[in-house]
Amino acid sequence: SQQGEEDPQALSIQEGENATMNCSYKTSINNLQWYRQNSGRGLVHLILIRSNEREKHSGRLRVTLDTSKKSSSLLITASRAADTASYFCATELSGDNSGGSNYKLTFGKGTLLTVNP
Amino acid sequence: DVKVTQSSRYLVKRTGEKVFLECVQDMDHENMFWYRQDPGLGLRLIYFSYDVKMKEKGDIPEGYSVSREKKERFSLILESASTNQTSMYLCASSYYLGNQPQHFGDGTRLSIL
Repeated sequence: SQQGEEDPQALSIQEGENATMNCSYKTSINNLQWYRQNSGRGLVHLILIRSNEREKHSGRLRVTLDTSKKSSSLLITASRAADTASYFCATELSGDNSGGSNYKLTFGKGTLLTVNP
Repeated sequence: DVKVTQSSRYLVKRTGEKVFLECVQDMDHENMFWYRQDPGLGLRLIYFSYDVKMKEKGDIPEGYSVSREKKERFSLILESASTNQTSMYLCASSYYLGNQPQHFGDGTRLSIL
């Protein structure tokens, strides 16, 4: 299975509710990143959380990281119809990334979030 | 804001053709990436470049090559297109390698007939 896996695969909620998506991974990481992708478009970076951080906020987004459990969660509060998108976690593996050959960012398969008006 | 521009949103080519996908970024980023995205498989890295004329193979380089002659431009080349290369292709760039977000273009949906 992949380095980063999101759960659930799909989530449907009503506007105003909170949405929580989870990501699990297998090996030590430098950081974990969350991206959003609207249908038919490219990915948009949301938040990067480093391995020595436990929580980060950005507007209505809250990301937590538990390195002992090798897991992260993305919480979107007070969801809106415009939040409808696929959400991906990406893990950057530990190590010296100053050399090109050592760098690796691995994406999960995503959670499809649908927010109903 | 960083802008990553992919030359085509949709492209239709025939089996056996040589196909060029172009990507340009306007923020002087050192690193550029090519991914393909398929349903059920997520994003998979084809190649990336960490400097002009420098490249590294990703997870699925077979059937592809890349060219980076100038810092702002990264080209993906399908040497002899096949139907199994029908996919969404995404280009991305980042300033540093390590602890940096990647900035994506809007993608090229390529169909090989």
